[in-house]
Order: sequence, then structure tokens, then C-alpha cells
Amino acid sequence: AQSVTQLGSHVSVSEGALVLLRCNYSSSVPPYLFWYVQYPNQGLQLLLKYTTGATLVKGINGFEAEFKKSETSFHLTKPSAHMSDAAEYFCAVSASGSARQLTFGSGTQLTVLP
Amino acid sequence: DTAVSQTPKYLVTQMGNDKSIKCEQNLGHDTMYWYKQDSKKFLKIMFSYNNKELIINETVPNRFSPKSPDKAHLNLHINSLELGDSAVYFCASTGTGLNTEAFFGQGTRLTVV
Repeated sequence: AQSVTQLGSHVSVSEGALVLLRCNYSSSVPPYLFWYVQYPNQGLQLLLKYTTGATLVKGINGFEAEFKKSETSFHLTKPSAHMSDAAEYFCAVSASGSARQLTFGSGTQLTVLP
Repeated sequence: DTAVSQTPKYLVTQMGNDKSIKCEQNLGHDTMYWYKQDSKKFLKIMFSYNNKELIINETVPNRFSPKSPDKAHLNLHINSLELGDSAVYFCASTGTGLNTEAFFGQGTRLTVV
């Protein structure tokens, strides 16, 4: 069984400030971890993923995340927020086997203040 | 070229009606999914098909019936629509191997009135 907890349903940052969105997971098998972004009235777009190998993964739009097995975390960061980053962000986990269905966190709404 | 396409994007219908949502992927993926996003934006898996065979069927009312005519298509038929079915439904697909992630369609916003 797998689960994802996203701390903070709403996060506000000023433009140019650090973005930190928190994600903790639970998985009985080695996990694959993902961050997706959803803009209003749109589908989900992959930001980045961790499957194996390097634990610090870089994604699109300047985002990155670090897989920390000891902390069961996969927090998303961006050094400098841009107004266009305002969106809903979802952390998700899937099993590392053949089953690839995603278990999502509850999402974090990121607001970027001018 | 849209990788995963769903139709329609918006669907407004009355209670009791039957409706279908279509999904097609041109990525050559073997596995397709339906997810439901509720009013609080929570996303949950409903069904998964691999090469036209049902492999996941979460606790979903049997009014919902997925159909996969081939591995590029996964349609969702809903009978006797209820108010609580109002949500955004997302189709997705994944390939095989290590470096695969789910590609999502744009979603179908279903409103039952």
C-alpha cells in the first residue's frame, strides 16, 4: 500500500523567493516519485520524477526535488519563484514494479505574490 | 500532436442520463487509466487497462464501465448519472520500462444537474 502526504494545502511566496513544497510518502516497495503541476482548467504536467539513481532530480521550469529515503520525503524546491509558477502541485507515488498507477497527495496551491 | 486526448472537455447533463467520455493516446503506450478529481482537487485512480485487459478496478460504482477497443483507446461509460458524479475525469497512459511516467489528458469536466 502507498500513500502521500503533502504538508500545506496553500503556500504563498513572494516573487523571487524560495519555493518549498513538502511531500512525504509511504510505500511498502521501492517507490517511484513524481511531482505534477496543474494550471487552472488544464491537465497534469510532469515537473520531475525519481525512479532510480541520483537522488537529486531536476525538472522543468527550474524546479528540483530530492529523494530522501531515511526521511521518506520528496520535497519540491525552486530557488526563485515566478508569477507563472502559481498553480496546483501534486506529489505522487507509484510502485516500482509493473503496476504504474499513481497515488496522489491532496495537492498544494501555490500563490506567488508580486 | 496531442499525446493523450479526451472528448468532450466539458459535459453538462441531467441526473439519470447515460454518457460516455472518450480517450485516445498516440504514444504507443500499453497501459491506460481513468482518474477522478473531485471538487477538492483530490485525484484518485478508478481503472487501469493493460493491452485491453482490466488490471485495476478500484471501488467504483458499477454504473461506471470502462471499455478498451484497442490499446490506444480507453472510453468511460457512465449509466444513470448522479449529482455526486460531478467531477473532472482524467485519462492517462504509461509505457513500459524504467523511464516512464503518466501522460495525462486535459480532463473532462462533468457536471450533473
